[in-house]
Amino acid sequence: RKEVEQDPGPFNVPEGATVAFNCTYSNSASQSFFWYRQDCRKEPKLLMSVYSSGNEDGRFTAQLNRASQYISLLIRDSKLSDSATYLCVVMSDTPLVFGKGTRLSVIA
Amino acid sequence: DAGITQSPRYKITETGRQVTLMCHQTWSHSYMFWYRQDLGHGLRLIYYSAAADITDKGEVPDGYVVSRSKTENFPLTLESATRSQTSVYFCASSETGGGSPLHFGNGTRLTVT
Repeated sequence: RKEVEQDPGPFNVPEGATVAFNCTYSNSASQSFFWYRQDCRKEPKLLMSVYSSGNEDGRFTAQLNRASQYISLLIRDSKLSDSATYLCVVMSDTPLVFGKGTRLSVIA
Repeated sequence: DAGITQSPRYKITETGRQVTLMCHQTWSHSYMFWYRQDLGHGLRLIYYSAAADITDKGEVPDGYVVSRSKTENFPLTLESATRSQTSVYFCASSETGGGSPLHFGNGTRLTVT
């Protein structure tokens, strides 16, 4: 089993839709979790950290389920500008391990 | 400006040549990383460094050499470039390693002919 796994997508959703991505991880001792966003041919940028109690930043909600070993990202009211690849990142031991990413296309 | 910068942005080289990719950060972050990104593989770690003069191998270190004589610089050298090293290379830094997020440079697109 790979250390971090994501559904590669693509997820094609209409503007205004709600979309959710999951990411599973294999190491139960993992300590830190992040979601990054990567636009085509650009560097990954931190979207949000994921806290045990779950956290929200505007239209974005991240959750952690330690029992089932996955993290999730929920995007509400999708915008065209949300089109990107979303990378799940897990820290077990230094360094961070990246998932391969989930591609999202928001369609007008 | 503070941040992390990579150079060059684009590089074309021939098989067998030595190539050095530069990475410089102004945050005084302890940790620095080199990743390569290829279609179908995502980001793969080449080498990382926890501090000056401390480096460790990542997932795909073969064919690469790093050094970290100063905290702010972390160059990556391809000793004898091969076509399989054609990729986009990202340098990143973080304050405390795995517990803090990474900040990426804008990448170097390397083509080996």
